[in-house]
Amino acid sequence: ETGVTQTPRHLVMGMTNKKSLKCEQHLGHNAMYWYKQSAKKPLELMFVYSLEERVENNSVPSRFSPECPNSSHLFLHLHTLQPEDSALYLCASSQERTGYYEQYFGPGTRLTVT
Amino acid sequence: GENVEQHPSTLSVQEGDSAVIKCTYSDSASNYFPWYKQELGKGPQLIIDIRSNVGEKKDQRIAVTLNKTAKHFSLHITETQPEDSAVYFCAASYPNSGYALNFGKGTSLLVTP
Repeated sequence: ETGVTQTPRHLVMGMTNKKSLKCEQHLGHNAMYWYKQSAKKPLELMFVYSLEERVENNSVPSRFSPECPNSSHLFLHLHTLQPEDSALYLCASSQERTGYYEQYFGPGTRLTVT
Repeated sequence: GENVEQHPSTLSVQEGDSAVIKCTYSDSASNYFPWYKQELGKGPQLIIDIRSNVGEKKDQRIAVTLNKTAKHFSLHITETQPEDSAVYFCAASYPNSGYALNFGKGTSLLVTP
């Protein structure tokens, strides 16, 4: 266990549904990240939060909406997704958001959009 | 932005042999280079990293080398074991984006007994 948990582990949703992914870190870190992992593609950074403030938003469509209520929790709210959004969504945390600090990943949520 | 190329995409070795995975990066300001191992059904786990002020780092059977001039770095696994089978990702810090990490596409390593 890396100290980063994600729920649910698997999610199937229709294109008109609204759902949320949850991430919790137990490492005392102050930066949290959402990544998208698709087959045959590099991990894509979606959002970065540092001290609960969003500091990165990599041109992610507005149907993905992050929320960071405190330094231990991170959510990804999903609505009106497309089939191409099906992927593994990974949460990570680090002590700082600079690259000097190791990022620890959760196990991911496998999302299927039907 | 930062571009990280990783080769090969698949690698098959016999148990006991060595495995080498290579990555190149484009941004000369990158200064942190981690390697992650991802097993089936799990998230990536950091196995070793190197910073730009050193050329090589070893941890038991795993080593990473960095050539800043050529902008490439490599992962070396010696005396491979079946449990080393996994997907390995390299990454480079992305200075223009607050030092977030840019990842390679991954190498699927299979170690056969």
